[in-house]
Amino acid sequence: DAGITQSPRHKVTETGTPVTLRCHQTENHRYMYWYRQDPGHGLRLIHYSYGVKDTDKGEVSDGYSVSRSKTEDFLLTLESATSSQTSVYFCAISEPYPSVVSYEQYFGPGTRLTVT
Amino acid sequence: KNEVEQSPQNLTAQEGEFITINCSYSVGISALHWLQQHPGGGIVSLFMLSSGKKKHGRLIATINIQEKHSSLHITASHPRDSAVYICAVRSGEYGNKLVFGAGTILRVKS
Repeated sequence: DAGITQSPRHKVTETGTPVTLRCHQTENHRYMYWYRQDPGHGLRLIHYSYGVKDTDKGEVSDGYSVSRSKTEDFLLTLESATSSQTSVYFCAISEPYPSVVSYEQYFGPGTRLTVT
Repeated sequence: KNEVEQSPQNLTAQEGEFITINCSYSVGISALHWLQQHPGGGIVSLFMLSSGKKKHGRLIATINIQEKHSSLHITASHPRDSAVYICAVRSGEYGNKLVFGAGTILRVKS
């Protein structure tokens, strides 16, 4: 298994509070991604990073910010959580496309966030 | 309309049955991925393919680039195959990022 951990694994928070989710990798992969997974929808990209301090928005980035100060860590912040952000959040890593090795994505175990 | 459509959304099979899950997409792609998500949430990659057919154990994945269609087959299905199967495509149209189908929920009964 790729060395990807997410913390916390479960969190319940109140509307309006800030929340930070952490993704940590030990694979030294250049690309890191944050997705959310909701019933009836496929995994949807929130933000991604293509290097330290290099990030870009995905299709559902409103209400989220990210930071990557080290290769191994990618943080997702909900500045003021809303009930619509209740979801399961997955981090993933990959090498860039095209890669001589592989550009498969490897997923973390997920974080279940409930905003009440 | 989703860029990646999977069918069926839900599938219940008896142990031993041959199972097919379908994936259709609308743009030219560089690769298609099949992923498996077990209850409890972990997501693992089963196949990555850009043409033809790949086989791993009882799993077979095929792709028809001209028809923009892929199938995942499971032979001699077993209750441990119960999971959500997810199709995802990589395309220059999406900035070479993966776009995912909504998944097919498979339950295999013994």
